[in-house]
Amino acid sequence: NAGVTQTPKFQVLKTGQSMTLQCAQDMNHEYMSWYRQDPGMGLRLIHYSVGAGITDQGEVPNGYNVSRSTTEDFPLRLLSAAPSQTSVYFCASSYSNRGYNEQFFGPGTRLTVL
Amino acid sequence: KQEVTQIPAALSVPEGENLVLNCSFTDSAIYNLQWFRQDPGKGLTSLLLIQSSQREQTSGRLNASLDKSSGRSTLYIAASQPGDSATYLCATGNTGKLIFGQGTTLQVKP
Repeated sequence: NAGVTQTPKFQVLKTGQSMTLQCAQDMNHEYMSWYRQDPGMGLRLIHYSVGAGITDQGEVPNGYNVSRSTTEDFPLRLLSAAPSQTSVYFCASSYSNRGYNEQFFGPGTRLTVL
Repeated sequence: KQEVTQIPAALSVPEGENLVLNCSFTDSAIYNLQWFRQDPGKGLTSLLLIQSSQREQTSGRLNASLDKSSGRSTLYIAASQPGDSATYLCATGNTGKLIFGQGTTLQVKP
């Protein structure tokens, strides 16, 4: 298994540009989520999905969209990039959203917005 | 609102020392607590997951304990090695939504 994969690894955007961060998992996990990691703020939940076709907002959802058309993929879309969205983005997955399920993280996407 | 705190923020120890990393949380109604390791510029690697009904979990030189009543978890690392140098994060939550601590950055000196 490849586990949780993310592309691209690095990205530089200009303010106002849009882009999609890709996330895929091959473990047949129902639950997937996106976090951002910022110095001094730790990791914060952006959006999550409990299964195909079901998504919901986390702690910091503004400026981001998600969709879940398949079990395997959970892309994160930046609609109009802003410098405040400069961060490291991590995708995670687990078998379900029940508490006893271990969560697995991808390698991250490092995004810079100029 | 759940808050997770890790103290100290940084720790430097000589190789071979046994050490304890601390994690505290404000709301004891948790489903689980998970410890992660993060190397510089890398993603998070899951180390141990403790269910709310469990008291501890062990993996090799690592032992994690959970005391819900006091809102604390500890990660014990035995016989530390330079390869253990990394940032250690604890996280807890319900229904999959994790709340993370800020992490403890560990340096093990040869």
